[in-house]
Amino acid sequence: AQSVTQLGSHVSVSEGALVLLRCNYSSSVPPYLFWYVQYPNQGLQLLLKYTSAATLVKGINGFEAEFKKSETSFHLTKPSAHMSDAAEYFCAVSKGGGSNYKLTFGKGTLLTVNP
Amino acid sequence: KAGVTQTPRYLIKTRGQQVTLSCSPISGHRSVSWYQQTPGQGLQFLFEYFSETQRNKGNFPGRFSGRQFSNSRSEMNVSTLELGDSALYLCASSLGGNSGNTIYFGEGSWLTVV
Repeated sequence: AQSVTQLGSHVSVSEGALVLLRCNYSSSVPPYLFWYVQYPNQGLQLLLKYTSAATLVKGINGFEAEFKKSETSFHLTKPSAHMSDAAEYFCAVSKGGGSNYKLTFGKGTLLTVNP
Repeated sequence: KAGVTQTPRYLIKTRGQQVTLSCSPISGHRSVSWYQQTPGQGLQFLFEYFSETQRNKGNFPGRFSGRQFSNSRSEMNVSTLELGDSALYLCASSLGGNSGNTIYFGEGSWLTVV
């Protein structure tokens, strides 16, 4: 079974500061990993995904994440926060390969950006 | 290219009633999956369909069902509604050929059970 743990249900940063959202996963097989963002009253938008190619993945809006197998982590970072980054962020895992299309999500991290 | 479209966006139902939610996937996508999002339980997988066949199912009671049509459009049905079924129901679609394919989500259907 797969699981995702997002450390910190709420993260607050100042505009221009580094954003670091933490995600650890548990998977019995090589995983595929995803970060989604959800703005108020909207669905989920994919930021980036890891599918066993490069371990450093670049996504939209200046976000990137690094897959570290030894630490079972897939933390999301952005060098400089913008007010528009305020949203809820979800890390998700699915089984690599095959036809398993079930995403298992973490509980989410609400990012607040202060002016 | 149109995204994943869900209807209705908002609805209110009474306990004991049933509800049907509809989802039109991105053109060319053959996999459609459904998720329930609540403040307490977060995002939970309901089921996934590919070419009209259910391939995966989450841990939900039999009151939750779904189907997919030949044009890949999907519906989910919840019978005998309970207060705890109040949630945002999200539909998602992907090409379906490989589980690494991007899964795109719709805006969701907000269900309130009173």
